[in-house]
Amino acid sequence: GNSVTQMEGPVTLSEEAFLTINCTYTATGYPSLFWYVQYPGEGLQLLLKATKADDKGSNKGFEATYRKETTSFHLEKGSVQVSDSAVYFCALRAGGFKTIFGAGTRLFVKA
Amino acid sequence: GAVVSQHPSWVICKSGTSVKIECRSLDFQATTMFWYRQFPKQSLMLMATSNEGSKATYEQGVEKDKFLINHASLTLSTLTVTSAHPEDSSFYICSAWTDGGYTFGSGTRLTVV
Repeated sequence: GNSVTQMEGPVTLSEEAFLTINCTYTATGYPSLFWYVQYPGEGLQLLLKATKADDKGSNKGFEATYRKETTSFHLEKGSVQVSDSAVYFCALRAGGFKTIFGAGTRLFVKA
Repeated sequence: GAVVSQHPSWVICKSGTSVKIECRSLDFQATTMFWYRQFPKQSLMLMATSNEGSKATYEQGVEKDKFLINHASLTLSTLTVTSAHPEDSSFYICSAWTDGGYTFGSGTRLTVV
């Protein structure tokens, strides 16, 4: 079946450090891939998405490239800020509305 | 943008009692809402798909008599955990599909003691 695996957290970085959160997936067909972010006390928000192979989603300095050959959608940011501290969820949707989420990765950014 | 309001954000209840969680779409009509459950350090697990005016569709392994879902209007879906037990303690979160994407509620932390 379809599944999403993302790196376990927490990830702790200093401000301005480079961020990578790994995400790999298993799916039949050609899923759409997403990154969601959940800030403390808030709901999940869509951060970025990619709908086909080699697409790059980007938003707020975050980027992720849909790599079909490695079934990956790693999240990156060149210089993190304290305000990026949150939980990040990788997700896929393969037909219909049903979305499958990874376990989430908590990011702490220190000043 | 679209907002989904989920209430309460946290609740503590005694074993054997029932708890209702509400999810409202504030500025749009949601014909379909989704209910998820998240255990610590695990994925969000889809429990059921709630359809306005009809019965909810439950995922395999989810007890429909335990987790009652009602979607009586285009702006409100409710999840009632009946006869709650400590193993029902979890984080419950709803979402709605709108404008080509999902909008999530802020979640409800349920603790059954």
